[in-house]
Amino acid sequence: DQQVKQNSPSLSVQEGRISILNCDYTNSMFDYFLWYKKYPAEGPTFLISISSIKDKNEDGRFTVFLNKSAKHLSLHIVPSQPGDSAVYFCAASGSFNNDMRFGAGTRLTVKP
Amino acid sequence: NAGVTQTPKFQVLKTGQSMTLQCAQDMNHEYMSWYRQDPGMGLRLIHYSVGAGITDQGEVPNGYNVSRSTTEDFPLRLLSAAPSQTSVYFCASSPPRGSAEAFFGQGTRLTVV
Repeated sequence: DQQVKQNSPSLSVQEGRISILNCDYTNSMFDYFLWYKKYPAEGPTFLISISSIKDKNEDGRFTVFLNKSAKHLSLHIVPSQPGDSAVYFCAASGSFNNDMRFGAGTRLTVKP
Repeated sequence: NAGVTQTPKFQVLKTGQSMTLQCAQDMNHEYMSWYRQDPGMGLRLIHYSVGAGITDQGEVPNGYNVSRSTTEDFPLRLLSAAPSQTSVYFCASSPPRGSAEAFFGQGTRLTVV
């Protein structure tokens, strides 16, 4: 039973436009959410995170939004660049453990 | 600073063989974990450890064994390899709090024939 779901396997956007990646979770004990980026033949690397006490966190071109009532979070990339093309994983964990659960990933392609 | 190092990068095993995937980190992180990545499934937690001498099962522990004798090392053992264990394996480490991001190794691509 996947507790973290990314329902879009792929997304294609034009360079300069906004990319929106979505993630849903089912476990109400999760209170920390992370996004990882993965290039082929490499391990995932941390991108941005958000605690459940916030509804938005920004880091440069990347913003994560959290809607706790809907158990939904999204990652916005503005403006999108070709170097952003990668697989993006959503992950969630509880405050007192490092047991992180991942979604299936969304492959983002940014076209020049 | 090497971060998380996994060896080997590639491995082919015959069904029934055993092997150990190595993982070492030099960041003095207490928490270490093993994930497997399969198409359409994302990363699934196999086993994790909150410190030397302490290990626990994740989502998909069957067929795997772990031990943690030092803070730095967290090997994953396949007891009797099966084709269903063909996957890419990632080791990760993080500081001991739930809000900490994990650092991943580059992965081991394992094929069981």
